[in-house]
Amino acid sequence: DIQMTQSPSSLSASIGDRVTITCRASQSISSYLNWYQQKPGKAPKVLIYSASSLQSGVPSRFSASGSGTDFTLTISSLQPEDFATYYCQQSYSTPVTFGGGTKVEIK
Amino acid sequence: QLQLQESGPGLETPSETLSLTCSVSGGSISSTSYYWGWIRQPPGKGLEWIGSVFYSGRTYYNPSLKSRVTISVDTAKNQFSLKLSSVTAADTAEYYCARGCYDSSGYEREFDPWGQGTLVTVSS
Repeated sequence: DIQMTQSPSSLSASIGDRVTITCRASQSISSYLNWYQQKPGKAPKVLIYSASSLQSGVPSRFSASGSGTDFTLTISSLQPEDFATYYCQQSYSTPVTFGGGTKVEIK
Repeated sequence: QLQLQESGPGLETPSETLSLTCSVSGGSISSTSYYWGWIRQPPGKGLEWIGSVFYSGRTYYNPSLKSRVTISVDTAKNQFSLKLSSVTAADTAEYYCARGCYDSSGYEREFDPWGQGTLVTVSS
């Protein structure tokens, strides 16, 4: 199985801050990396697919990059509605695997 | 707009079989452009892929659950289902169904959208 490691596992940030979350795969997954946002009591929602493509309707303050084994998700200016848990997911091979999550909290 | 809705018992007895159904509305489950998956999340923990089913009927399961999982499609009802046998307390989780998308090369990509989830508790 491909292991997905996210860091940090949690972070505290203020409104307007630039936030970066990293995801590392245990082997190369090309660009088969997706990012999800999950708010408490809600299902995950896709933000980014194929490592860097912004899902329709997702604010442009979200961006992502990477290929191979190292990936990043960036929120350029944190907004109140962005406080949530973020997960990466590889779809390169079965079994599909998710990172452990990064919880973004209010400072 | 495609919507998915999970349904099934919220409480299961240890050693029994968990059965959930995902009803799809706003689109056809028979579409060759998508596949369908089950993902679960134990309380306070991360996401675990359970398995996926493709329009051909082909299924892929997480090896960690493979011996206990069956996913099937009912095209007449526009639904797909999950059965997980011999459940224990470790199977207590929020269970989500989701649509899987392909990239232009036909490789699997993201899950979108997801159902709202259903909590299944395994307890005697």
